[in-house]
Amino acid sequence: DAEITQSPRHKITETGRQVTLACHQTWNHNNMFWYRQDLGHGLRLIHYSYGVQDTNKGEVSDGYSVSRSNTEDLPLTLESAASSQTSVYFCASRPGQGGSDEQFFGPGTRLTVL
Amino acid sequence: DAKTTQPNSMESNEEEPVHLPCNHSTISGTDYIHWYRQLPSQGPEYVIHGLTSNVNNRMASLAIAEDRKSSTLILHRATLRDAAVYYCILKGAQKLVFGQGTRLTINP
Repeated sequence: DAEITQSPRHKITETGRQVTLACHQTWNHNNMFWYRQDLGHGLRLIHYSYGVQDTNKGEVSDGYSVSRSNTEDLPLTLESAASSQTSVYFCASRPGQGGSDEQFFGPGTRLTVL
Repeated sequence: DAKTTQPNSMESNEEEPVHLPCNHSTISGTDYIHWYRQLPSQGPEYVIHGLTSNVNNRMASLAIAEDRKSSTLILHRATLRDAAVYYCILKGAQKLVFGQGTRLTINP
C-alpha cells in the first residue's frame, strides 16, 4: 500500500547543529508540506512544494529549508538548530491543488534541541 | 486564508451522537470545508469535506448551513477511539491552514 513515512521518529540534537528530517511518500503526489506542532497548539506550515524543483515558504519558515529533487521526497533541514525549534514535525502530501483533495500526514518526528 | 471558529473543547458520552460546530462567516464561494482529526501522538487524518451540500461517509456526516457560514461535523455514535482534536479548515487555495481545533473527550 502507498504510504508516507518520516525518519527519524525521534531525534535529540544540540544547539547549532544542522539537522535533516526525511519525508518520503509513495503515492506520487505532486504536493508536499512540512508542519510543526508545539505543545497545545495546532499545526503551523513551515515549507511546501507543488512539484520537483518547486519550494515555497510557509508562515514559520525562518531557520528551515527544503529541497525537492524528486517527487517522492521533501527533506526538511534545520540549518543551525535552536531550542525554539524543539517541536513535533509532520510531513504531508496531497495529489493535486484542488479544494477537494484530501491531505495525507506522516506519523511525525519528535525533535528535541538541547 | 479565511478563518474558522471552533469551541476549544467538548465532551460527550460513548455511543451517543456528537455535533461539532464550526463558524466560518468569511468563507468565499470557492472554499471547501474540510475536517481533520488528530488522535493522541499521531498525525492528523482526513475525516470529511464538502462544498455546499451535506456529505456522508463511513466516519462522519457534514452538515453545511445554507449560507455556508457555518457547518457541523456529526459523529453518529461516538466511541472512545473518537477522542481527538478536530480541526475545521477552509480550503480554497492550495494550503491547509490549521486553527486550534476542538478537543473532544468521550466518556465511557
